[in-house]
Amino acid sequence: EPEVTQTPSHQVTQMGQEVILRCVPISNHLYFYWYRQILGQKVEFLVSFYNNEISEKSEIFDDQFSVERPDGSNFTLKIRSTKLEDSAMYFCASSAGLAGGTDTQYFGPGTRLTVL
Amino acid sequence: AQSVSQHNHHVILSEAASLELGCNYSYGGTVNLFWYVQYPGQHLQLLLKYFSGDPLVKGIKGFEAEFIKSKFSFNLRKPSVQWSDTAEYFCAVNPYSSASKIIFGSGTRLSIRP
Repeated sequence: EPEVTQTPSHQVTQMGQEVILRCVPISNHLYFYWYRQILGQKVEFLVSFYNNEISEKSEIFDDQFSVERPDGSNFTLKIRSTKLEDSAMYFCASSAGLAGGTDTQYFGPGTRLTVL
Repeated sequence: AQSVSQHNHHVILSEAASLELGCNYSYGGTVNLFWYVQYPGQHLQLLLKYFSGDPLVKGIKGFEAEFIKSKFSFNLRKPSVQWSDTAEYFCAVNPYSSASKIIFGSGTRLSIRP
């Protein structure tokens, strides 16, 4: 069964550094998403992406964050200058974009980001 | 604001016991409803989903959930749990007006005593 994959599984970085988290969505999916889960808190929506554009973003997704689909397979989340509070598990998800409100998102294993 | 509430943070059961995990959501419009499961060390997996039709939906591994619109609830049930059901369970809502965003509950950790 096809799966969403993410690399790396764990990233440690210094405050102020840029990080890029990578995701390979399921191959025939059209919609891509990033979520994050700070330790002990809920999974929170960050951004959705369709047709090479952001289709929706949350208030968390400020100018420090950006997303890109640099080629036909990867979907990346960049954090420009990391802060301590960016430490979290970041989940990528993808969906086929089915009509009629029946779309289902499939999640990757996550990247644990630790900002020191 | 839209939100999802899961009433139990941690549930401990013995094998063969029956399970019911509560979930309520706050949203006035049409919603899609999901239960995701995260087994230890693994990623979020879809357990079951409700889009429309029969409010009692069956998922994988013997789980089912009932959508009660009047109560804004989508409780998860299993008649007889197994040790392998030990995991974290997340209720989630996708407001129909937002085709993309999923709103998650805080999760319920289920521990099964062998």
